[in-house]
Amino acid sequence: DTGVSQNPRHKITKRGQNVTFRCDPISEHNRLYWYRQTLGQGPEFLTYFQNEAQLEKSRLLSDRFSAERPKGSFSTLEIQRTEQGDSAMYLCASSGVAELTDTQYFGPGTRLTVL
Amino acid sequence: RKEVEQDPGPFNVPEGATVAFNCTYSNSASQSFFWYRQDCRKEPKLLMSVYSSGNEDGRFTAQLNRASQYISLLIRDSKLSDSATYLCVPGTGKLIFGQGTTLQVKP
Repeated sequence: DTGVSQNPRHKITKRGQNVTFRCDPISEHNRLYWYRQTLGQGPEFLTYFQNEAQLEKSRLLSDRFSAERPKGSFSTLEIQRTEQGDSAMYLCASSGVAELTDTQYFGPGTRLTVL
Repeated sequence: RKEVEQDPGPFNVPEGATVAFNCTYSNSASQSFFWYRQDCRKEPKLLMSVYSSGNEDGRFTAQLNRASQYISLLIRDSKLSDSATYLCVPGTGKLIFGQGTTLQVKP
């Protein structure tokens, strides 16, 4: 399978715990995006990387959230001291800068439930 | 004003019907435009890109009006499998999603 993959697919945690999600983009894609989606809403942009550089962060990304892409391949999104409001689907997408329309392809998401 | 506005629906149509969705966007700097389809509890999947001249892909036709900042999607001969949420997405690198429009195609 050469699509975007995300792990884990589901995560249940208790409030106050830290969680980390991983995204593996399509191999030739140099841009990687993180989005968050809550029930009944469209995905909301969180942050994006071009290669290993984090180029933009949404104001939605509080200090408890950090994302990395150390070697310009896979990325991790960490949430520290989780809160119930963090419960959502976390989606990763990738795109290749060579594509004129910058089409983004999404992974299956990680569904986080904070109890 | 929301960055992307769509009628959330639901649109309930019989099989074979033609249905149209519209959306407006507020960022005139948007360079790329897409329709994504999302099934319940799944990730968004690209349905089609939208070009200024309008474009068609089988039963799907997309139109873009940059002056009015308006995007549309027309689905002809609806199938049961078209039931999903359709997301209008302008982008400047990052994608800005609307709430989506829910379509239910009934037998």
